[in-house]
Amino acid sequence: RKEVEQDPGPFNVPEGATVAFNCTYSNSASQSFFWYRQDCRKEPKLLMSVYSSGNEDGRFTAQLNRASQYISLLIRDSKLSDSATYLCVVQSGGSYIPTFGRGTSLIVHP
Amino acid sequence: GAGVSQSPSNKVTEKGKDVELRCDPISGHTALYWYRQSLGQGLEFLIYFQGNSAPDKSGLPSDRFSAERTGGSVSTLTIQRTQQEDSAVYLCASSSYDSNTEAFFGQGTRLTVV
Repeated sequence: RKEVEQDPGPFNVPEGATVAFNCTYSNSASQSFFWYRQDCRKEPKLLMSVYSSGNEDGRFTAQLNRASQYISLLIRDSKLSDSATYLCVVQSGGSYIPTFGRGTSLIVHP
Repeated sequence: GAGVSQSPSNKVTEKGKDVELRCDPISGHTALYWYRQSLGQGLEFLIYFQGNSAPDKSGLPSDRFSAERTGGSVSTLTIQRTQQEDSAVYLCASSSYDSNTEAFFGQGTRLTVV
């Protein structure tokens, strides 16, 4: 089983739609969680950290479920500019090496 | 301030040649990571440097791959006797010494082995 798993998609949604991605992780000792965004042929950039209590940044909401070992990303009111690959990132306790999922591709169309 | 800088941005090399890829991290960042990303794939961890500690080389795919970090700053990833399967984008990232901080990536070196 891969350490971090994501549905590669693509998720093809119209503008204004709400879309959600899940990511599962295998190491129960994982302590830090993030969502990164990667545009085509660009480097990954941090979208948001994921806290135990969940967090929201504008149209984006991230949640952590430790019992089921998954994190989620919800995007409301999708924009064309949200089209990208969303990477789930997990760091285990005691390790400072971020482990990346393969990413979920989102395509927002007019 | 300046971000993570990688050079060259593109490199085409013949099979069997050696290549060196350079990464200049953000000033003051003690952690430096190398990843590679093949077309349509996720990021594959290669090596991790933290300050003056011994690097974590657990992700290096073969002994043809090596990396060093001089003076706790600039890092060089060397691939000897390149093979076609080494073709990928090699990404460098740096972060401050904290398990919950952002890793900042360079724009990567696109390596093509022909």
